[in-house]
Amino acid sequence: DVKVTQSSRYLVKRTGEKVFLECVQDMDHENMFWYRQDPGLGLRLIYFSYDVKMKEKGDIPEGYSVSREKKERFSLILESASTNQTSMYLCASSSPGGGATNEKLFFGSGTQLSVL
Amino acid sequence: GENVEQHPSTLSVQEGDSAVIKCTYSDSASNYFPWYKQELGKGPQLIIDIRSNVGEKKDQRIAVTLNKTAKHFSLHITETQPEDSAVYFCAASFSSGGYNKLIFGAGTRLAVHP
Repeated sequence: DVKVTQSSRYLVKRTGEKVFLECVQDMDHENMFWYRQDPGLGLRLIYFSYDVKMKEKGDIPEGYSVSREKKERFSLILESASTNQTSMYLCASSSPGGGATNEKLFFGSGTQLSVL
Repeated sequence: GENVEQHPSTLSVQEGDSAVIKCTYSDSASNYFPWYKQELGKGPQLIIDIRSNVGEKKDQRIAVTLNKTAKHFSLHITETQPEDSAVYFCAASFSSGGYNKLIFGAGTRLAVHP
């Protein structure tokens, strides 16, 4: 089975701190994604990557950056955490389908980040 | 803009009843429509998907229907069981900048009561 592992289940940080959320997948998937989950808003795409050292902005990239130095690892960075970034963060991976379609996404269990 | 609307936001049914969740999408070019189930404390997991060249797909107690003309698709769960209790998300594919991405609905919290 595909396993997507997120480094922390719960995280509490202070406003202004630099925060790193780590994600590792073990199925050699090319594609990796970071989503944010908020009640009533569903899952919103922050950033994605289709290859090592490659990144593309999603729908809500402001205040975030990402790093993909190795195929299996995709990191989400909050340069200066703010209270409105308190949320559940979900990492996902997939293999490419025909025409670069997002095929089946495999999600990690999520990191609940609280910024105080 | 790109949008997927999902209804209802909460759904409560008795065990054995059917449950239906409906979604509408904005881009007529969307061609892939997956459904994800998220159990408490876990990440979402794909349960069924449908492509635009198909009108209906079934997998045991779950089925998805697609109406491309009306731009809506639905998830049907028959003979519901307590283990069906979860949050369900629909999604639709959108093409942007040469890439296809998924836009998710807001989610439906389904409660199945014994």
